[in-house]
Amino acid sequence: QLVQSGAEVRKPGASVNISCKASGFTFSNSYLHWVRQAPGQGLEWMAIINPSVFGATTYAQKFQGKVAVTGDMSTSTVYLQLSSLRSEDSAVYYCARVVAHVSPPYMDVWGEGTTVIVSS
Amino acid sequence: DIQMTQSPSSLSASVGDRVTITCRASQRISRYLNWFQQKPGRAPKLLIYAASSLHSGVPSRFSGSGSGTDFTLTISSLQPEDFATYFCQQSYILNTFGPGTKVDV
Repeated sequence: QLVQSGAEVRKPGASVNISCKASGFTFSNSYLHWVRQAPGQGLEWMAIINPSVFGATTYAQKFQGKVAVTGDMSTSTVYLQLSSLRSEDSAVYYCARVVAHVSPPYMDVWGEGTTVIVSS
Repeated sequence: DIQMTQSPSSLSASVGDRVTITCRASQRISRYLNWFQQKPGRAPKLLIYAASSLHSGVPSRFSGSGSGTDFTLTISSLQPEDFATYFCQQSYILNTFGPGTKVDV
């Protein structure tokens, strides 16, 4: 399973760090995605990380410079940092697992989501 | 970027109905197409992967077909628990989700 950190409230311009801790499967054999869902909207892919390889992260063009994804193999946890928050960043953020080297790849395990509210 | 479209955006159906949702990619994606179900306040759940493979634990009334650019999700006999929003997703080049199809009464 993937267990995410709790809801966050931030002011515009601030940053926030969300965590996603894996258990029950081989973390080193997984890639982790981050997906965003604004209120009443659809799903938006943000980034993918291979936590086994330092720096092996790919971002959707829209989020480059806005987000940073890191991983910690020692705790089987990945992190999503969002910077320069705006009201439009208010959303639920999900992490999701893909088994490495499976093709075609698919997100079969999802975290419960972390709500981020940006408000002055 | 690969764009995904879905039709219809919403539909009304009754228990027992056969429901078909279509997903189209802006370029060929082979069979790199997955389907998810999402209920309000819940995380998405994988239904179908690789266009037509049923994910473990998913009822057999769900099926997927297609390849290239055009794909279909079919629910053979709609059950009360199937009222939800359905998303397609391509994983051919990075990832893109369709806008969703809401299935309600």
